[in-house]
Amino acid sequence: EPEVTQTPSHQVTQMGQEVILRCVPISNHLYFYWYRQILGQKVEFLVSFYNNEISEKSEIFDDQFSVERPDGSNFTLKIRSTKLEDSAMYFCATAQASGSNEQFFGPGTRLTVL
Amino acid sequence: KNEVEQSPQNLTAQEGEFITINCSYSVGISALHWLQQHPGGGIVSLFMLSSGKKKHGRLIATINIQEKHSSLHITASHPRDSAVYICAVRLDATSGTYKYIFGTGTRLKVLA
Repeated sequence: EPEVTQTPSHQVTQMGQEVILRCVPISNHLYFYWYRQILGQKVEFLVSFYNNEISEKSEIFDDQFSVERPDGSNFTLKIRSTKLEDSAMYFCATAQASGSNEQFFGPGTRLTVL
Repeated sequence: KNEVEQSPQNLTAQEGEFITINCSYSVGISALHWLQQHPGGGIVSLFMLSSGKKKHGRLIATINIQEKHSSLHITASHPRDSAVYICAVRLDATSGTYKYIFGTGTRLKVLA
């Protein structure tokens, strides 16, 4: 069964460093999402992406964050200058269509900022 | 007040018991997801509902749009069902956004 994959599974970085989290969507999926879950807290929406542009973003997704599909397959989340409070689990999800279409989640990347 | 509320927050059951987890929301939605999060953190989509009822194996999900309420039922529960169950709603046009909002989850532990 096709699945969403994410790399790395765990990333440790120093405060102020840039990180890039990668997601490989299911092949015929066109809609992509990033979510964040700080330890012990609920999952939060970050951004949705379709047709090579951001469809919607939350207030969390500030100028330090960016997303792109650099090669038409990977979907990346970049945090330009990490802060301690960026430590969280980051989930990628993809869907065949928007609206009522089911999202499929990747296994997540645990980001630890020291 | 959270826009998506789940109850109970924690639930311990004996193997074989029938389990119900509830989700209430206060916003207009186009769809509701039930998700399962395993102890390792991975998230699996269980159901997506916009009306009525869905069944998959021992899991049943219902939604009442008028009452803004959904339930997830697990029949004949098993220790492997132990996980956090999360309700997530996709907002509709009345909210001016189509983003997803997640509940805080219900932590289920099924004892053998």
